[in-house]
Amino acid sequence: KQEVTQIPAALSVPEGENLVLNCSFTDSAIYNLQWFRQDPGKGLTSLLLIQSSQREQTSGRLNASLDKSSGRSTLYIAASQPGDSATYLCAVIRAGNNRKLIWGLGTSLAVNP
Amino acid sequence: DADVTQTPRNRITKTGKRIMLECSQTKGHDRMYWYRQDPGLGLRLIYYSFDVKDINKGEISDGYSVSRQAQAKFSLSLESAIPNQTALYFCATSDTGSTDTQYFGPGTRLTVL
Repeated sequence: KQEVTQIPAALSVPEGENLVLNCSFTDSAIYNLQWFRQDPGKGLTSLLLIQSSQREQTSGRLNASLDKSSGRSTLYIAASQPGDSATYLCAVIRAGNNRKLIWGLGTSLAVNP
Repeated sequence: DADVTQTPRNRITKTGKRIMLECSQTKGHDRMYWYRQDPGLGLRLIYYSFDVKDINKGEISDGYSVSRQAQAKFSLSLESAIPNQTALYFCATSDTGSTDTQYFGPGTRLTVL
């Protein structure tokens, strides 16, 4: 059974710091891995998607990496800003026809001015 | 205008009442999903539909039913609401493409007294 774990559960950093959020999964047979952002009172927004054949994806100040063999992904946020404060969720899709997302519980990030 | 909309955004009801949550999308996607989110439990899949004639149970379908009225509309019903169905409910859509990125609505906060 695929399980997704995110560490830490919460993180508070001063503005400008570079930071890393971690996601681990137990079954390396994944189709892809996605990072989402959730703001209070709003839905989830997809940030980055990494296909199983890829090693990393970048969007602006965000970089996500994938190491299937070790069952890990990291989300790197450069030069953090208060607007980055949100909950970040990691989810994997298992390989096969049943393309359902398996979710981590998220990391709640606070970036302090 | 938002691509995925949910109504209502907030609802307070009493035990035993029938409740319907509605989801509409303008993205033209064929796949639609209903999730609930609870603190400490993360996102859990209730039902999903890969096209108008396809309905599938997710992890926690007991006490819920769905209807896919059209490609753009997917509604979730609680036939007889109970307090442990108090949660944040999200609708999502995706396209039968190569990435399976899911796009989320803003959520419905349901409270059952």
